[in-house]
Amino acid sequence: QSALTQPPSASGSPGQSVTISCTGTSSDVGGYNFVSWYQHYPGKAPKLMIYEVSKRPSGVPNRFSGSKSGNTASLTVSGLQAEDEADYYCSSYVGSEIYVFGTGTKVTVL
Amino acid sequence: QVQLQESGPGLVKPSQTLPLTCTVSGGSISSGGYFWTWIRQPAGKGLEWIGRINNSGRTNYNPSLQSRVTMSVDTSKRQISLILSSVTAADTAVYYCAKNEHGALDYWGQGTLVTVSS
Repeated sequence: QSALTQPPSASGSPGQSVTISCTGTSSDVGGYNFVSWYQHYPGKAPKLMIYEVSKRPSGVPNRFSGSKSGNTASLTVSGLQAEDEADYYCSSYVGSEIYVFGTGTKVTVL
Repeated sequence: QVQLQESGPGLVKPSQTLPLTCTVSGGSISSGGYFWTWIRQPAGKGLEWIGRINNSGRTNYNPSLQSRVTMSVDTSKRQISLILSSVTAADTAVYYCAKNEHGALDYWGQGTLVTVSS
């Protein structure tokens, strides 16, 4: 299974919004609603931010939202804060009990 | 609050076997409905899904690693194990274990660095 495609980087000023795309195929992102997003600070454990395309786990700020259109899922961070500067990875179920991650996006808060 | 802690040898020689253990605390490892997943991240690269196992021992592996990966679970010790055989430098990475529920990884360990070198 090939990794899902994410832009290598994204940036925004504090208070602005940034949207990260996660592009797959009809066999993964487009075919299932098991897309999740993770925030990863280097040297730390990744943190689940969104599951099942658009659901937020308890404790995740509502500034983080997820959506999907066709074969592309998106994570939007609204009201950017300095603490949002991190790497973000999407993941999708690809069938046959297998999952795949995206290539990762480094978000910079300008 | 579920907590996971990975442990391993740190350094493994090429062609040898890498054994890793994930110890679970703060929650039941025997409860059904979810899987325990291994993920790795080579330095400077992205996350790679290695595979998963549930409390009954049912496994699913990444096809690209399937021939070299074996996972097992010991509910009495609250441990999940990963064995990766015939390692090469390409297997050098931080290895994470995580709990998989509702198709997502909701609890992660801090990771353990494994270096493959002679």
